[in-house]
This record gives sequence, C-alpha cells and structure tokens, in this order.
Amino acid sequence: QQQVKQSPQSLIVQKGGISIINCAYENTAFDYFPWYQQFPGKGPALLIAIRPDVSEKKEGRFTISFNKSAKQFSLHIMDSQPGDSATYFCAASKTGANNLFFGTGTRLTVIP
Amino acid sequence: DSGVTQTPKHLITATGQRVTLRCSPRSGDLSVYWYQQSLDQGLQFLIQYYNGEERAKGNILERFSAQQFPDLHSELNLSSLELGDSALYFCASSVGEATTTGELFFGEGSRLTVL
Repeated sequence: QQQVKQSPQSLIVQKGGISIINCAYENTAFDYFPWYQQFPGKGPALLIAIRPDVSEKKEGRFTISFNKSAKQFSLHIMDSQPGDSATYFCAASKTGANNLFFGTGTRLTVIP
Repeated sequence: DSGVTQTPKHLITATGQRVTLRCSPRSGDLSVYWYQQSLDQGLQFLIQYYNGEERAKGNILERFSAQQFPDLHSELNLSSLELGDSALYFCASSVGEATTTGELFFGEGSRLTVL
C-alpha cells in the first residue's frame, strides 16, 4: 500500500514556466513532509521540507504548499530551468519514526 | 557529494546467487537506511540501523539481511537472487535515529542486475 501518492508520473515544462507536482497522504499522524531531488546517476538529495504548522514554505524558486484538511501537499517550481530537469520525490514521516515513506516520483523535463 | 559511499556501483549476477552491498555513512552519522528503487515502485524502505542496532524494518524480504558494524559501515546481503531483485539499492545516513530530526543523505546507489 502506497502511503504517499504522487502525480504526475512525468512532466514537461517550457523554460520559464511553473512546474507543479502533487502528493497526497492518508496517515494523519504524518508531520514531516520533505521533497527530494534526484539527478540521473545520483542519489536523492533533500530539496525543501515543511511541517504542518505552516501552509507554505518558500526557498528561492521552490515552494511547498500544504493543505492539512485535504491531506495534500505540492511542490511548485517557479521560472523552471533546464537544470531543474530531474526526478522529484515527495515523502512523509511522523515524529519519532524511523522511516520516510516516499512517493513514486515525478520525472520533470524542462525544455529550453 | 553527499559523503555516503556505496560499493559496488554496478553488479551483474545470476539467479540463485548471493551478493553483498556495502555502505559507508557520512562521518558522524549514526543511522544507516537501506532503500530499494525500482521503476514502478519508487523508493521502498528496507531497513534501518542506528549505532549498530536494528531500529526499523520495512518491506525487506527474508532472503535479504543487513547489519551495521562497530565502525558504522553497513552491509546489505541479498541471497537466492531472483530476476525481480534487479533494482537500484540506496544507502542513506543521518545523524539522529528518527527521520524527522534531520535530512537523509543518500549515496549514489548500487545497481544490481540479476540475469
């Protein structure tokens, strides 16, 4: 059973456009929601993370929007660049847990 | 460079065989996690060790086992290999025991191909 559902599976965006990746979860005990970025041949690396006490967190061109009542969160990449082309994973965990539950990933391609 | 080292990078073996994947965590990190990445399943948590002790188990098959040694490096042993075990195996490390206390640092993975 997939604890975190992620969509879309793949995404193609023009340079300068906005990339949006969505995730949903069921376990209301989750209170930590990171996003990881993975380039080909590399391991995932933490991009940005949010906790449910805020509805939005922004770091540069990357923003997480969090909707606690809908149990959904999303990653927005503003002014998308070809260098952003990678696979993005959302994840969720709860305080004290020893496991991060990952979504199935979104392969983003930014066309110049 | 995350500071996590995994060997080997690539491994090709036959069904029924046994392999060992090795992971050296970042300096100072006490937790080691193993994940399996396949095309349709994403990143699946296998097992976690903290300071030499098993702390959590995920979807790890009985044919698989792991351990963390006193120097904190970890090994994942895969035996009686099947075609379906072909995947990318990632090791990650963190300072604390729980995933919510800090980020996970991933190695570059070991790609296992079972023929």
